[in-house]
Amino acid sequence: EVQLVESGGGLVQPGGSLRLSCAASGFTFSRYWMHWVRQAPGKGLVWVSRINSDGSSTSYADSVKGRFTISRDNAKNTLYLQMDSLRAEDTAVYYCARAVGGGVVTAMGYWGQGSLVTVSS
Amino acid sequence: QTVVTQEPSFSVSPGGTVTLTCGLSSGSVSISNYPSWYQQAPGQAPRTLIYSTNIRSSGVPDRFSGSILGNKAALTITGAQADDESDYFCVLYMGRGISVFGGGTKLTV
Repeated sequence: EVQLVESGGGLVQPGGSLRLSCAASGFTFSRYWMHWVRQAPGKGLVWVSRINSDGSSTSYADSVKGRFTISRDNAKNTLYLQMDSLRAEDTAVYYCARAVGGGVVTAMGYWGQGSLVTVSS
Repeated sequence: QTVVTQEPSFSVSPGGTVTLTCGLSSGSVSISNYPSWYQQAPGQAPRTLIYSTNIRSSGVPDRFSGSILGNKAALTITGAQADDESDYFCVLYMGRGISVFGGGTKLTV
């Protein structure tokens, strides 16, 4: 069974940093592209970032480019999102998601339960 | 900046058919945007319904179907059930590794 468990969320002051982790199990992590998606309270889903299977290629939404860094450790089956220079508008539940696979990398096939990040003074 | 558009809300009677759409503020949606669709019940993580325009995700009933209708991607629910009442989001691939979600459609059954 595919499982994705996010951790590392919490309360942080504006301008601060936080690192989210997503522990993956139930599949061969190193074979799949991964995504981060966020959802502000009461709002819709927003794609944040993605990373290819070996970590050599990354992409970011304009709203986080230059502030967030996606990475992965295939030996630890873990996906990360380093978030720096946080702003109030980054407050959201952050979901990690596995790409569908089988050559389909742009769609998310499995989702974690999310980790809440609150940016406030 | 191109915006992905969805109907903010839609209503369907139980047993009825509804088609939700996913468009672009500028231009047409094609299979090259690899449209995908997600269902999200209140307080829950999203669930993947459709990817690559019309491929159902594992375990998704065949009353959910995806297509391109005119210049938009479409999600059709046939024989709507009470537990289909959820938010529905589409995603379009914009190239250069970038994906964009639509604003979502709140479906009432």
